[in-house]
Amino acid sequence: GIQVEQSPPDLILQEGANSTLRCNFSDSVNNLQWFHQNPWGQLINLFYIPSGTKQNGRLSATTVATERYSLLYISSSQTTDSGVYFCAGIRGGSNYKLTFGKGTLLTVNP
Amino acid sequence: ETGVTQTPRHLVMGMTNKKSLKCEQHLGHNAMYWYKQSAKKPLELMFVYSLEERVENNSVPSRFSPECPNSSHLFLHLHTLQPEDSALYLCASSQEGLAGASRETQYFGPGTRLLVL
Repeated sequence: GIQVEQSPPDLILQEGANSTLRCNFSDSVNNLQWFHQNPWGQLINLFYIPSGTKQNGRLSATTVATERYSLLYISSSQTTDSGVYFCAGIRGGSNYKLTFGKGTLLTVNP
Repeated sequence: ETGVTQTPRHLVMGMTNKKSLKCEQHLGHNAMYWYKQSAKKPLELMFVYSLEERVENNSVPSRFSPECPNSSHLFLHLHTLQPEDSALYLCASSQEGLAGASRETQYFGPGTRLLVL
């Protein structure tokens, strides 16, 4: 299977700051997703982004498929953005195995 | 109800008990998944059902037994579990094509927190 590396593992911000989270893959993927896990364990879909750039409010994501990485940008962070951010991917070919990274724990302080 | 629901939300069981986790998706999807999230470990895929047929069994011990009676429901039957099986169990669903692979967004339920004593 593929290896998924996320950085940084932990991030502490003051409210209003911007941040960039990174995800590297060991192989090409044809399914790449970003999730936010809230303190109650619910995984919330942020982006399905195997390539290109998408934006949703204060969040945006960019995947450079040829270089096997994806970035998640959070602008003007709020305390409600706190939680763990995961990226996950499925290697190209016939495969259902969505492999997750270890996540980035984001803490936004007021 | 919308989305993916899971019951129970919390479960405490002894090692000799038998219990079942239930997942229901209200999205009209044709693929369903079980994941395990242990403390300080990445989410791990356990089982995948596509069109009610199991297409992935990720080396899961036989004390975990999945069942998919139809495309909307997925069960995980538990028996003689070990304390190390304590974890958050997440169900997900997606709408896939016929390519034999997952290329669409997976939507997750809220999970069942399982504690094995």
